Amino acid sequence: EAGVVQSPRYKIIEKKQPVAFWCNPISGHNTLYWYLQNLGQGPELLIRYENEEAVDDSQLPKDRFSAERLKGVDSTLKIQPAELGDSAVYLCASSSRDRVNEQFFGPGTRLTVL
Amino acid sequence: KNQVEQSPQSLIILEGKNCTLQCNYTVSPFSNLRWYKQDTGRGPVSLTIMTFSENTKSNGRYTATLDADTKQSSLHITASQLSDSASYICVVSAGTNAGKSTFGDGTTLTVKP
Repeated sequence: EAGVVQSPRYKIIEKKQPVAFWCNPISGHNTLYWYLQNLGQGPELLIRYENEEAVDDSQLPKDRFSAERLKGVDSTLKIQPAELGDSAVYLCASSSRDRVNEQFFGPGTRLTVL
Repeated sequence: KNQVEQSPQSLIILEGKNCTLQCNYTVSPFSNLRWYKQDTGRGPVSLTIMTFSENTKSNGRYTATLDADTKQSSLHITASQLSDSASYICVVSAGTNAGKSTFGDGTTLTVKP
């Protein structure tokens, strides 16, 4: 079984530029999560999808961050414009309907904003 | 406010030794507690999941304990190996919704030969 796939693995951009991250969850997993992880800290939830519906986006900075999961499978997280403080690892995770508490994480995208 | 605190922040041990990592939480209503291992540059990988009724769960050389009364959990690693060097993250979920999970900041374990 393939795990959660994320791309790119690394991204370096200059501030004020846009950036997008892509996630492909485990096949059949209806719940998808985007987390932000700063160095030496635990992941912080940005947004959670149940199928194509964003059911929790309370921690997503909506002035610059946006996300979509149009067909309830792949998801894209976008930042526009990026700021220096956005440098972090962006993790995607997924879980199935019958094992909702067992989250499987992707390898993450490490973003560096210069 | 739901919180998860882990200690120590970092730990260095010699290969073959045992160690215990601590997790204290103030999450309510409690649903489950999970321990994850996160290797450098990788995403977290689940080690154990415990519900309210479970007070111990093992996964190979990893044994997690849960005291729901004192709201404490520990992760014991037996006969450590170099590959155990990683960050160990405690996660507590509230209610029945995994999205309402509170993550600790992790303990960074370094195993030296």
